[in-house]
Amino acid sequence: GNSVTQMEGPVTLSEEAFLTINCTYTATGYPSLFWYVQYPGEGLQLLLKATKADDKGSNKGFEATYRKETTSFHLEKGSVQVSDSAVYFCALSGHSTGGGNKLTFGTGTQLKVEL
Amino acid sequence: GAGVSQSPSNKVTEKGKDVELRCDPISGHTALYWYRQSLGQGLEFLIYFQGNSAPDKSGLPSDRFSAERTGGSVSTLTIQRTQQEDSAVYLCASSLLAGDQYFGPGTRLTVL
Repeated sequence: GNSVTQMEGPVTLSEEAFLTINCTYTATGYPSLFWYVQYPGEGLQLLLKATKADDKGSNKGFEATYRKETTSFHLEKGSVQVSDSAVYFCALSGHSTGGGNKLTFGTGTQLKVEL
Repeated sequence: GAGVSQSPSNKVTEKGKDVELRCDPISGHTALYWYRQSLGQGLEFLIYFQGNSAPDKSGLPSDRFSAERTGGSVSTLTIQRTQQEDSAVYLCASSLLAGDQYFGPGTRLTVL
């Protein structure tokens, strides 16, 4: 079945540091890949996505590239801010009967950015 | 526009009681998903509805869990004879067909 593995947290960085959160996946077929973010006290929000190999998703300074050869979708940001402190979830879509895309999530990585 | 809403935001119940959780999807979204977020299991898919098609129930953990979606809009997730391991945050998401999923704020269920 489908699975997502992401690096354990928590990750603590100083403001303006470079961020990488590793994510690898196992899936049949060609899933779409996502990063979701959960800010403290808020719901899950879609951060970025990529739908096919070599696509790069980007949003709010975050980027991730769909690497089929390494089955990876690592999240990066060049200069983090305190406001980026949140839990980040890597996910992939798998097909549901009836045409839906049920998501398989990683365990989440908590990021804390300090001044 | 209005996002996905869920009620109640918090629910505390006693072991063995039944609970109902409600989800109002974004207007016009045809697809609706339920997920569960718990400390032990992370984020798990539970069930998916799409229009009038038969739901995908493959993620429901036991027959104590059921869900329905009336009129292609509001959905209710019912847990019968709740157990302590059912304690979790239950998340609802909706989308247009197979598009991006938008999540509600969740219902935090605590079973004492």
